[in-house]
Amino acid sequence: SSELTQDPAVSVALGQTVRITCQGDSLRSYYASWYQQKPGQAPVLVIYGKNNRPSGIPDRFSGSSSGNTASLTITGAQAEDEADYYCNSRDSSGNHPWVFGGGTKLTVL
Amino acid sequence: QVQLQESGPGLVKPSGTLSLTCAVSGGSISSSNWWSWVRQPPGKGLEWIGEIYHSGSTNYNPSLKSRVTISVDKSKNQFSLKLSSVTAADTAVYYCASGSDYYDSSGSRGDYFQHWGQGTLVTVSS
Repeated sequence: SSELTQDPAVSVALGQTVRITCQGDSLRSYYASWYQQKPGQAPVLVIYGKNNRPSGIPDRFSGSSSGNTASLTITGAQAEDEADYYCNSRDSSGNHPWVFGGGTKLTVL
Repeated sequence: QVQLQESGPGLVKPSGTLSLTCAVSGGSISSSNWWSWVRQPPGKGLEWIGEIYHSGSTNYNPSLKSRVTISVDKSKNQFSLKLSSVTAADTAVYYCASGSDYYDSSGSRGDYFQHWGQGTLVTVSS
């Protein structure tokens, strides 16, 4: 199966813009979805499809993709955005199971 | 708003079978495209375990396929996970999740996990 690769850790100054990336062959065939996970909590969907936010997700979160890379951008990061972020997509091989990225720890300074 | 709630033993002995149930409320189990189980070992990332469509067809993570069974009980609006021959490596928080598909105007696809349960910690220990 293919893999999704994320940077383990990223930091951003309060109010600034940060981009979290996810790379993998499956992203040439499928859009990634993105999940925010805070300590002790379940993941929460923040972006899916081309660039769609579920109800209740602030519009400072946006998504994009190009080739084998998907990106999650937070424009004007807030303290409450500090969390782990995971990308995820269908796997383009075999029976289309799922693959998750290893996660990116976002620190808001 | 669909809500999911995992339940089951928090402690399983090595070589035993882990059994969890996910109760679906606020909607019918037939309303979502599929239902999945995802786990997260302490301090580590997310790992997809498997999924079941409301038709009853299943897909499993190849690395766990020989040990996993996912089933659905429409009458109880719930689905279940069984993982056999467990070891300490199976200690994790187990989440159930609902899945939805997405297609844009160009036909490109992007499935996603829309709703998640709160998770339940299962420890494998004697």
